[in-house]
Amino acid sequence: DVKVTQSSRYLVKRTGEKVFLECVQDMDHENMFWYRQDPGLGLRLIYFSYDVKMKEKGDIPEGYSVSREKKERFSLILESASTNQTSMYLCASSPPWGGSNYGYTFGSGTRLTVV
Amino acid sequence: QKEVEQNSGPLSVPEGAIASLNCTYSDRGSQSFFWYRQYSGKSPELIMFIYSNGDKEDGRFTAQLNKASQYVSLLIRDSQPSDSATYLCAPSRGTALIFGKGTTLSVSS
Repeated sequence: DVKVTQSSRYLVKRTGEKVFLECVQDMDHENMFWYRQDPGLGLRLIYFSYDVKMKEKGDIPEGYSVSREKKERFSLILESASTNQTSMYLCASSPPWGGSNYGYTFGSGTRLTVV
Repeated sequence: QKEVEQNSGPLSVPEGAIASLNCTYSDRGSQSFFWYRQYSGKSPELIMFIYSNGDKEDGRFTAQLNKASQYVSLLIRDSQPSDSATYLCAPSRGTALIFGKGTTLSVSS
């Protein structure tokens, strides 16, 4: 079965810390995505990557960066964590579009609390 | 205008009824449209997708798309208590999907 694995289910970090959220997929997918989900705001796109070392900003990239050194791994980096980055973070992957019958496969999420 | 709009609900239906979930989108360039189901505390899971105008059926689910009206819907026939969840509409925007805030469905037995 296809799988997207996020390294931590729950994470508590202090304000100002540099935080790494890791995501690994075993489906050889080209595209990988990071979203955050907040009550009342829904799923919002932070960054995505369509190939190794390639990245695109989503709708809310401020305060975040990403890294994709290998096809299977996509990392989200909070350069200096702040309390307003407390959220559920969801990673997803997909094959290329263009007639594909697939949507995203999501990881199980990382609930990050910044104190 | 919000990019993807859904009624937040809750939408309450009795077991065995048809549940109708609606979504409008603003980007006329969207090519594909996905419906996800999300149970509380879980990740979204794909229910079905649609690319062409008209209806597409998959078991108890039917997706309907009208690109001219920028409208997509999901019908759930013979609703079951296990269908109680939040349903997310997600039109494509280039490579990515842009999600609505979701409609919460409650099916009572």
